[in-house]
Amino acid sequence: GAVVSQHPSWVICKSGTSVKIECRSLDFQATTMFWYRQFPKQSLMLMATSNEGSKATYEQGVEKDKFLINHASLTLSTLTVTSAHPEDSSFYICSAGGGRGTQYFGPGTRLLVL
Amino acid sequence: GEDVEQSLFLSVREGDSSVINCTYTDSSSTYLYWYKQEPGAGLQLLTYIFSNMDMKQDQRLTVLLNKKDKHLSLRIADTQTGDSAIYFCAEISGGYQKVTFGIGTKLQVIP
Repeated sequence: GAVVSQHPSWVICKSGTSVKIECRSLDFQATTMFWYRQFPKQSLMLMATSNEGSKATYEQGVEKDKFLINHASLTLSTLTVTSAHPEDSSFYICSAGGGRGTQYFGPGTRLLVL
Repeated sequence: GEDVEQSLFLSVREGDSSVINCTYTDSSSTYLYWYKQEPGAGLQLLTYIFSNMDMKQDQRLTVLLNKKDKHLSLRIADTQTGDSAIYFCAEISGGYQKVTFGIGTKLQVIP
């Protein structure tokens, strides 16, 4: 149980285009999902907290107009990187909240912006 | 603010025990976690411990928590090559929302 999927697993795009990443909880419902970013050899950094049916809460320094988050249902949250640039190239990981404060993580999406 | 620190690298021989250490700063932490990340993959929750416990054992994994010193450790008994990965310590504090991760300890298991 507690499986979280992400799609796509990796994406290459041209600078200036927008990329949408989906995060799904497959066998449970999650009112809260989280989006993280991981640069090479660094830890995960929380970008935003996504609550079903309401606006996402962004961490300091994360541009909400650049990283659009939509949590339309209890099993799906999406992150759209708008007008992507090479510095947005990273590993994006989502997680869905489970019980006892645990989070179940997706496999991650590698984004490469050329 | 919250801060979680780990050593960057650990190398052990197959069959030996591995001990990965972590220190944290937020005394209000309620849960502390260990996650495993294999190359190119997302995070896998290994185990967690509630802050009012001092030890938790789960098969080959033993978690020790010293709340006074804010020190958390993960012991892997009979370490196997499949245990080679990066291990992240994490704490949750300030309620459900905020999880702070350490930088991760890369465990290398030598056959």
